[in-house]
Amino acid sequence: AQSVAQPEDQVNVAEGNPLTVKCTYSVSGNPYLFWYVQYPNRGLQFLLKYITGDNLVKGSYGFEAEFNKSQTSFHLKKPSALVSDSALYFCAVLNTGGFKTIFGAGTRLFVKA
Amino acid sequence: EPEVTQTPSHQVTQMGQEVILRCVPISNHLYFYWYRQILGQKVEFLVSFYNNEISEKSEIFDDQFSVERPDGSNFTLKIRSTKLEDSAMYFCASRVWAEDTDTQYFGPGTRLTVL
Repeated sequence: AQSVAQPEDQVNVAEGNPLTVKCTYSVSGNPYLFWYVQYPNRGLQFLLKYITGDNLVKGSYGFEAEFNKSQTSFHLKKPSALVSDSALYFCAVLNTGGFKTIFGAGTRLFVKA
Repeated sequence: EPEVTQTPSHQVTQMGQEVILRCVPISNHLYFYWYRQILGQKVEFLVSFYNNEISEKSEIFDDQFSVERPDGSNFTLKIRSTKLEDSAMYFCASRVWAEDTDTQYFGPGTRLTVL
């Protein structure tokens, strides 16, 4: 069975500091991995994806994620956090056959000014 | 940029009533999905739909739920007899086709409140 784990319910970081939101996955075959962000009372907004190719994937709003096959991880990173980055972040994997996306539990990011 | 739209944004209903949530996927997309997010919890897959039939469904998607694509643009989720535990945010999503390993595009969601 394919699954995604986000080990941290919440991440706190000061504005201007680098941030990391962790994600590990378990899939059979090649993983198709995604990060989504959800702002309060809003829908899911696509940030970035890894399908194949470079392990470092760049996405929207200065975010990037590093795919690490040996550690089965896909951590979300940003060099310098903004207060406006405060939101709920979901890691997700597209399952074999591509019929559904399996989401992690989400990590709430708080960026303090 | 094309986007998935959903109506209504918020639906309040009495327990036992039927509700229909509506979605307009991106026009050239062929795969359609419904997901559910109970407040404060993870996003859960409900059902996928392709070529006018269900491709896959979760255990949550029981006989009370149904989906339909009544015309060339709308994709609906019907809950026949709502329960309190159906209160959640419901997200519609669409993709172009199965071989496209690109992302699913999500709508803004419909918040369903069952009283």
